[in-house]
Parts: sequence; structure tokens; C-alpha cells
Amino acid sequence: GNSVTQMEGPVTLSEEAFLTINCTYTATGYPSLFWYVQYPGEGLQLLLKATKADDKGSNKGFEATYRKETTSFHLEKGSVQVSDSAVYFCALRLGGYNKLIFGAGTRLAVHP
Amino acid sequence: DGGITQSPKYLFRKEGQNVTLSCEQNLNHDAMYWYRQDPGQGLRLIYYSQIVNDFQKGDIAEGYSVSREKKESFPLTVTSAQKNPTAFYLCASSIVPAGGENEQFFGPGTRLTVL
Repeated sequence: GNSVTQMEGPVTLSEEAFLTINCTYTATGYPSLFWYVQYPGEGLQLLLKATKADDKGSNKGFEATYRKETTSFHLEKGSVQVSDSAVYFCALRLGGYNKLIFGAGTRLAVHP
Repeated sequence: DGGITQSPKYLFRKEGQNVTLSCEQNLNHDAMYWYRQDPGQGLRLIYYSQIVNDFQKGDIAEGYSVSREKKESFPLTVTSAQKNPTAFYLCASSIVPAGGENEQFFGPGTRLTVL
């Protein structure tokens, strides 16, 4: 079946540290891949996306590259801030439908 | 400002009561969705609607019902048949999902607690 697996959290970092949150997927066909962010008590916001192999999505200093050979879409940021503290969800969408399949989410806590 | 509103933010109900969660959007989107979020889990799709007067079951539709009488509105009823209704409920919308990269926009969510 189609699924998304994320690294378990929480991830705790100091401000200005390098961030990696791993995401791998299983899918039939060629999915589009997404990272969503959820700040405390709020809904989800789209952070970045990639629609085909080797595409790199980027936004607000975050990046993720669609790696078909490793079925991965790892989220990275070179220097995190306290304001980046949130839960990050990796998701995939298969062509023809707008149904999103989400990973379990990874909580990031950044300390000053 | 365009967006999705969900009300109320917090909702408490007694076990055995039906409860309806509101979702309204003024983005002129055709498609709307309801997700459930439980601690430590990703979002799971309950119901979705691609057009007015039409909707389909998602992965966990049992114990829930929806209606789509207006384009802007997609209320979700949590019935007494839902065995574990306490959760965070998120509504989303998108333009018609017929191909293309149609981002889903999410509302702020309603936290339902059944006592």
C-alpha cells in the first residue's frame, strides 16, 4: 500500500543548529511529495513540495529533494530558530486524486 | 481575507450525543476535506467532497456523516456510533483536484472532547 514513514520525535536542537528530518515513502506510481508544518494549536500549512524526481522544494530556509532511487524526501535547514518549533508532516499525493497520505509527524523543539 | 474557518475551537460533549463541526471557506474552492488527527499520528481522511451535493468516504468514515449543500460549507457530524470521537478535527479545501498541483489549505481545527 501507499504510506509515509517519518523519523520519530521529538527532535530537540539548539538555535542555529542544522536540522534533518527523515521521510521515506512507499507508493504505487509517481507521487508528489509535501512537507506541512503545524504550529501549536493551529492547522497545517504547506511548507514546500516537489512533484517529480530530483525536484528540490524550498521555502523559509527549509529544503527537501525528491529522491526516487531512495524513495526519500528528507527535510533540512541549515540554521534553525526558536520560531521553527512545530510539528512537521511529510505527505504524498498520487496523481489524479487530491487525497493526501500523511506520515505520523515529527515534533521539533528549538531552544535558545 | 480569504481562508477557512472552523468553529468552535474547543468543543465538549457527553458520550452518546451527536455533534456537528462547522467548516466554511471563502476561497471559492470546489473540493473540501475532513481529517482527524490523534496524538502521535498523522492525519487520516474521514470524508471528502469534490463538488456540491457529492461526497465520498475516506479511510475512517465509520461513525461520521457529512453534507455539502453549499460550495462554501462542509459540516461534519460526529455520531454516537463513533467509538472514540475525542480528537483534533481539521478541515481543508482545494481547487478541483483533476490533475495539476492543487494545494490543500487547512483550517485552524476543532478539538473535540467527549466526556
